[in-house]
Amino acid sequence: SQTIHQWPATLVQPVGSPLSLECTVEGTSNPNLYWYRQAAGRGLQLLFYSVGIGQISSEVPQNLSASRPQDRQFILSSKKLLLSDSGFYLCAWSHPGVPRKAYEQYFGPGTRLTVT
Amino acid sequence: TQLLEQSPQFLSIQEGENLTVYCNSSSVFSSLQWYRQEPGEGPVLLVTVVTGGEVKKLKRLTFQFGDARKDSSLHITAAQPGDTGLYLCAHKGVAGNKLTFGGGTRVLVKP
Repeated sequence: SQTIHQWPATLVQPVGSPLSLECTVEGTSNPNLYWYRQAAGRGLQLLFYSVGIGQISSEVPQNLSASRPQDRQFILSSKKLLLSDSGFYLCAWSHPGVPRKAYEQYFGPGTRLTVT
Repeated sequence: TQLLEQSPQFLSIQEGENLTVYCNSSSVFSSLQWYRQEPGEGPVLLVTVVTGGEVKKLKRLTFQFGDARKDSSLHITAAQPGDTGLYLCAHKGVAGNKLTFGGGTRVLVKP
């Protein structure tokens, strides 16, 4: 079966510090990968998605970036955090090649980021 | 961009009561999904509806896709405290496998 991991689970960082959040998927190959941010108690905002190694699409202009160095690894980064970067960050994956399943997404446990 | 509006934003009920939450748009969807998210965790897919008028049941949860495929509802019968969470609807974008999420309905079931 497939599993998705995110770490760290929680993170407190000062303004201006760098950020690196990691997401890995097990049990599948060539998944589509996604990074979302969620404000407290509200819906999800898609930040980045990737259909393959080195292929990143950005949905929202910001000071965050994403990379996919391996097939099942997705990293969210920032060089200098802003207060507004605080939130709950979720990684998700989907099957790209399974009809009608390609848009069903499976989420990791999330990372709670607080920028102080 | 097809926007999804969920209502109500918050719902508090007693255990054993029924509830319905709604997901609406002015656009037609090829499919729509419902997710439930518990505090501090990632959303979990509950169901995907594809056909206009489709009704799917998952134990005490009943999902309906509108005939015109512009809206959907989730009805919970005899709610239990374990049903507490944020209920999100989402639809597939025009291109690619991206999803657009509604703002969610927060449900609190009191024992």
